[in-house]
Amino acid sequence: SQQGEEDPQALSIQEGENATMNCSYKTSINNLQWYRQNSGRGLVHLILIRSNEREKHSGRLRVTLDTSKKSSSLLITASRAADTASYFCATDAGGGYNKLIFGAGTRLAVHP
Amino acid sequence: DGGITQSPKYLFRKEGQNVTLSCEQNLNHDAMYWYRQDPGQGLRLIYYSQIVNDFQKGDIAEGYSVSREKKESFPLTVTSAQKNPTAFYLCASTRTGGTGELFFGEGSRLTVL
Repeated sequence: SQQGEEDPQALSIQEGENATMNCSYKTSINNLQWYRQNSGRGLVHLILIRSNEREKHSGRLRVTLDTSKKSSSLLITASRAADTASYFCATDAGGGYNKLIFGAGTRLAVHP
Repeated sequence: DGGITQSPKYLFRKEGQNVTLSCEQNLNHDAMYWYRQDPGQGLRLIYYSQIVNDFQKGDIAEGYSVSREKKESFPLTVTSAQKNPTAFYLCASTRTGGTGELFFGEGSRLTVL
């Protein structure tokens, strides 16, 4: 079962613009993670935000978490063509075995 | 360099054949996972293992089997019982008691002819 749902499904922007992707989930979580996947490759972990955190930064990435709305957003500032990829949120609902549930992802295209 | 190695990267299979996908990690991680990814979709958990000689079914285990005889290795067999095996398969690992970040291999693309 998929818990996270990303919005939009696809996003097309110009280099230098900001990209915002949203993720909604259904049940209580321990943490929420964002991953990036280049076409035909494995996923790479970007950032993890715990349920008691509201905002986190890593370089050009900014993640927010609103547990009351069961939603998170990923902001990529000053985007580059190399940011073109699919971005997935994944939720950890606990249980002691790091079982992550992934959404369907947002496909981001950054045009030079 | 530490990481996860999946092989083969591309695999073609005739209907009715079993195939085994390899996953090896040298990160000294305890937990390992197999996910399936279909076009335009997220990842779905097939099997996971927290320690050697132990593994549990994920959400879509039917038609798949695994073994965990060594800490470094977690092979996945796609059996002929899997009705729609064409997909991209991803292996991942994580350190038990860590932050929960998953480290992924580069994936294996299986096509049934």
